[in-house]
Amino acid sequence: GQQVMQIPQYQHVQEGEDFTTYCNSSTTLSNIQWYKQRPGGHPVFLIQLVKSGEVKKQKRLTFQFGEAKKNSSLHITATQTTDVGTYFCAGLGGTYKYIFGTGTRLKVLA
Amino acid sequence: KAGVTQTPRYLIKTRGQQVTLSCSPISGHRSVSWYQQTPGQGLQFLFEYFSETQRNKGNFPGRFSGRQFSNSRSEMNVSTLELGDSALYLCASSLRGAEMNTEAFFGQGTRLTVV
Repeated sequence: GQQVMQIPQYQHVQEGEDFTTYCNSSTTLSNIQWYKQRPGGHPVFLIQLVKSGEVKKQKRLTFQFGEAKKNSSLHITATQTTDVGTYFCAGLGGTYKYIFGTGTRLKVLA
Repeated sequence: KAGVTQTPRYLIKTRGQQVTLSCSPISGHRSVSWYQQTPGQGLQFLFEYFSETQRNKGNFPGRFSGRQFSNSRSEMNVSTLELGDSALYLCASSLRGAEMNTEAFFGQGTRLTVV
């Protein structure tokens, strides 16, 4: 069945450093969504990518969708302590359901 | 407008018991999905309901079941609880109909502990 892997599982960075998490699907995706879950909170939608090769930016966050629509990445420039949390990708495949990646837990050291 | 409401927030049950969790979606949302979240497994898809019909399901045993009412509120039930069912159960509602390209709004979750 469809699987979505996310790496790394954990990442500790110094405040001000950059951070990237990668999402890889075993099958071609119709679209991919990214969510952020703060410690003790619930996932909150960040963005959706639909087109092959699409790049979207939200302030310091840059999201990319691969040309083959099987992988995606989230890059944060100059991390801040408010970026702490777990970032999930969720891919929509042929099964008409979103499969979530395993998540990347980001810790930012001040 | 009000967000997704899940009740109860916390629950402690004994092995072998059964439990029912409730989810009230955002007004107007007809799609409700359920996820199990554990530290090592991330978010595992349980099932999705749309207009009172189960539209999709994940790979969970038959002990996990759900339903959706005409007002879009949803319940999930777990029978014969096992220790491994301890998890955060998240419900998400959305405007997804035939078109799936919309975001999901998650509730705060129900933390279930099985002892």
